Amino acid sequence: DGGITQSPKYLFRKEGQNVTLSCEQNLNHDAMYWYRQDPGQGLRLIYYSQIVNDFQKGDIAEGYSVSREKKESFPLTVTSAQKNPTAFYLCASSRTGGYTEAFFGQGTRLTVV
Amino acid sequence: AQSVTQLDSQVPVFEEAPVELRCNYSSSVSVYLFWYVQYPNQGLQLLLKYLSGSTLVKGINGFEAEFNKSQTSFHLRKPSVHISDTAEYFCAVSSPDSWGKLQFGAGTQVVVTP
Repeated sequence: DGGITQSPKYLFRKEGQNVTLSCEQNLNHDAMYWYRQDPGQGLRLIYYSQIVNDFQKGDIAEGYSVSREKKESFPLTVTSAQKNPTAFYLCASSRTGGYTEAFFGQGTRLTVV
Repeated sequence: AQSVTQLDSQVPVFEEAPVELRCNYSSSVSVYLFWYVQYPNQGLQLLLKYLSGSTLVKGINGFEAEFNKSQTSFHLRKPSVHISDTAEYFCAVSSPDSWGKLQFGAGTQVVVTP
C-alpha cells in the first residue's frame, strides 16, 4: 500500500541531545513537509522540500534541520538548540502545486525528559 | 499571507444530531481549502477539499462543506453524527503560489455523546 511511514511513534530525548525523526514515502510525491503540532495551536510548518537536494524553512525552523538526499526520504533532526521540543511531529507529502491535498504520516510524539 | 480561524475550539454534540464546524480564512489570492480529521495520536486524514467549481463539496463519511467567497468561509457540516465522529477537525488553506504548503486553523474538537 502507498503511504507515508514515520518512525519511531514515540521518542524520548534527554535535554541537550539531538534526535532524528524518520519519514519515508512511496507515493512518488516530489514535495515533502514537516509540521509540528501543539495542543490548541494547530499545525505549524517547520521545513518543506519541493525537490531532491533542496529544502526551505517554514514558519518555525529554528532549532531544526532536514536533508533530502532521496525523493522518498525527508528526515528531521531536532537539535539541542530547539528550546521546547516536546510536541507531536507530522510528516506529509504531496504532488507539487497547491491544487492537491497533502497526505500525512501517523506522527512521532517526542518528549524531552 | 494567509490565515485560518476556526471559530469553535470544542463542539459537544449528541449522537444522530447535526453538527457544523465553522472556518473562516483570509487571503489576498485565490485559495484552495481543505478539511482534515485527526483521531487521537494519529495523523491527519483528508475529509474533503475545494479547489474550484461547485461551491458545495461532498467528502467522506457523510461530511460536506460550502465555500462562500463573499464571507470567506468554508464551514463543515454533517446531518447526523456517530460516536465514531469524535475527533479533532482542522481547516486548512493553500494557494497556487504556496507550493503545497498548508496554513492550518487551531482545530475544533468534536465530542459526540450518546
